[in-house]
Order: sequence, then C-alpha cells, then structure tokens
Amino acid sequence: EPEVTQTPSHQVTQMGQEVILRCVPISNHLYFYWYRQILGQKVEFLVSFYNNEISEKSEIFDDQFSVERPDGSNFTLKIRSTKLEDSAMYFCASSASTDSGNTIYFGEGSWLTVV
Amino acid sequence: AQSVTQLDSHVSVSEGTPVLLRCNYSSSYSPSLFWYVQHPNKGLQLLLKYTSAATLVKGINGFEAEFKKSETSFHLTKPSAHMSDAAEYFCVVRKRQAGTALIFGKGTTLSVSS
Repeated sequence: EPEVTQTPSHQVTQMGQEVILRCVPISNHLYFYWYRQILGQKVEFLVSFYNNEISEKSEIFDDQFSVERPDGSNFTLKIRSTKLEDSAMYFCASSASTDSGNTIYFGEGSWLTVV
Repeated sequence: AQSVTQLDSHVSVSEGTPVLLRCNYSSSYSPSLFWYVQHPNKGLQLLLKYTSAATLVKGINGFEAEFKKSETSFHLTKPSAHMSDAAEYFCVVRKRQAGTALIFGKGTTLSVSS
C-alpha cells in the first residue's frame, strides 16, 4: 500500500534554531497537510496545501511556520526560530481530493524536541 | 463548528471480549466521521469512515461503527478484542465548509490483557 514518508523520525534542536521537517506524500495525491500533536494533547491541524499554495491554515500556523513543495515529490514544514512549545509530534498527510469522504493518509510522524 | 468528544480516555478489555470506544460529535450539518488508530511508534491509520451512506460502517481488522444521528454518536466496536488491537484510537470529524481540516478527538487508549 502506498504510504506517506517523513524524515527525520526524531530531531532535537536548540531553542531559536531553524528546523525543516520533510515529507514525501503519496505520489498521485494533490493535497498535502501538516498536523501536530503536543504530548498529551489532541492532534491539531496546522496547514493544508494545494497547487503550490496554502489553501487553509489554523491560528497555530503563524509567521514562524512555512511550507514548501520544492520539487515534484517533497513537501516541507519549516519552523524559523523554534520555541520550547514547538516540541511535538508533527504529522504530514496527503489526499487525492478534498471530497468530504476522501481518505487522508498520514505519515509516521516526526518527533521534534526543542531544548 | 464541528467537534468530537471521546468519552473515555482509557479502556481496558480482556482478549476475546467486546470492545466499545465511544465518540459523540457536534455538527451543524451532516458530518463526515472517521476513526483512526495509532499503534506505538507508527503513523495514523484509517480504520473506517462514514460519509452519509450506510449508517453501519465496517472497517479493517473487524472494527465497525454506527452513525446515530439521534444520539449524535459514532461509537467504535469490535466483537472480540485481540492483543494486537492495543493502540490509541481517534474519532475524527471533517470540516464540510471552508476547508479540509480534520478535527480530532483527544483519543482513547485501548489496553488488551491476556
């Protein structure tokens, strides 16, 4: 079964440093997403991306965050200046369409620890 | 606005006994509802989804869920638990307007003992 892959699986970074989390969505999918889960809390939506632009973002997704599809296969999340509260599991996801019943497929997550 | 509430943070069952994970939703219109499972150190895997077709939805690994509009519920069940079912389960609703975001419940940890 096709899958979404994420790298790194775990990253430790110092506060204030820039971090880039990488994702390879399923190859024929057109819609891409980032979600995060702070330890002990709900999985939260960050951003969705389609046709090389952000289609929706949550209030969490402030100016410190950016997303990019640098080539035909990768989808990245950049955090410019990490804060302690950015420590979380970050999930990348993709879907073929935005039909309400269409499945969104998730990767295994990238665990970010900010120290 | 849509939301989901998972009524139990932790459920413990014995192997071979039934599983019931409860979820109530809130939506101003007919929702799309999903159950995802997360095994340790794994990603989120779709178990099943409801999209306004049959109210009883069958998923993978013997799980099923019934959409009950009168009770605003979408409980997940399985007749007989297996050790491999031990995981975190998330009830999820999808926004129908102005976006595609999934809204997650807090999750229910299922423990299965032998």
